[in-house]
Amino acid sequence: DAKTTQPNSMESNEEEPVHLPCNHSTISGTDYIHWYRQLPSQGPEYVIHGLTSNVNNRMASLAIAEDRKSSTLILHRATLRDAAVYYCILRGSGGSNYKLTFGKGTLLTVNP
Amino acid sequence: DAGVIQSPRHEVTEMGQEVTLRCKPISGHNSLFWYRQTMMRGLELLIYFNNNVPIDDSGMPEDRFSAKMPNASFSTLKIQPSEPRDSAVYFCASTRSQVYSQPQHFGDGTRLSIL
Repeated sequence: DAKTTQPNSMESNEEEPVHLPCNHSTISGTDYIHWYRQLPSQGPEYVIHGLTSNVNNRMASLAIAEDRKSSTLILHRATLRDAAVYYCILRGSGGSNYKLTFGKGTLLTVNP
Repeated sequence: DAGVIQSPRHEVTEMGQEVTLRCKPISGHNSLFWYRQTMMRGLELLIYFNNNVPIDDSGMPEDRFSAKMPNASFSTLKIQPSEPRDSAVYFCASTRSQVYSQPQHFGDGTRLSIL
């Protein structure tokens, strides 16, 4: 499986935008980029996914580099409830595409 | 809509006892996953069912662990006998299909402590 690299932790202030980076230099052409987050004492929660084009949903935006070797999850206005561990995961079209392989993720702290 | 429901939320038991964790997936989802989360190893997949059939159990630690899915709305993960190193948070997740663009929906987990 292609690997992803994320910073261990990031800090933000409430109501400010947050840009969470993810590097995936070995991504293959059919790998989707998925983002999940895990709030304290809860299970992981799907945030967004994309293949090549930038994507927006009610939770966040996903900006994908033109060469697809990196991506950025954008929270437009952070709230205290966004404090969580954010995971960037690649899912390909191979035989084990059902599997989510979680790394250590980025721990986001949101200051009031 | 109800999400993935897991029970119990917390379980504390003594070493050697049998432990049974339960999961009810989202209605209409045909794929179900059991994950385990520890500080040392993070989140790891234990077993994956598709249409109630186990497809990949390569993550099951050893013979003490077993999982079943007798029907589309219920699954169990059993540990017998339990050991202190089994202490972890166990998550169940379901998805509408195994297509790799489909998100997985997780329950809130069972926090298991083996004394």
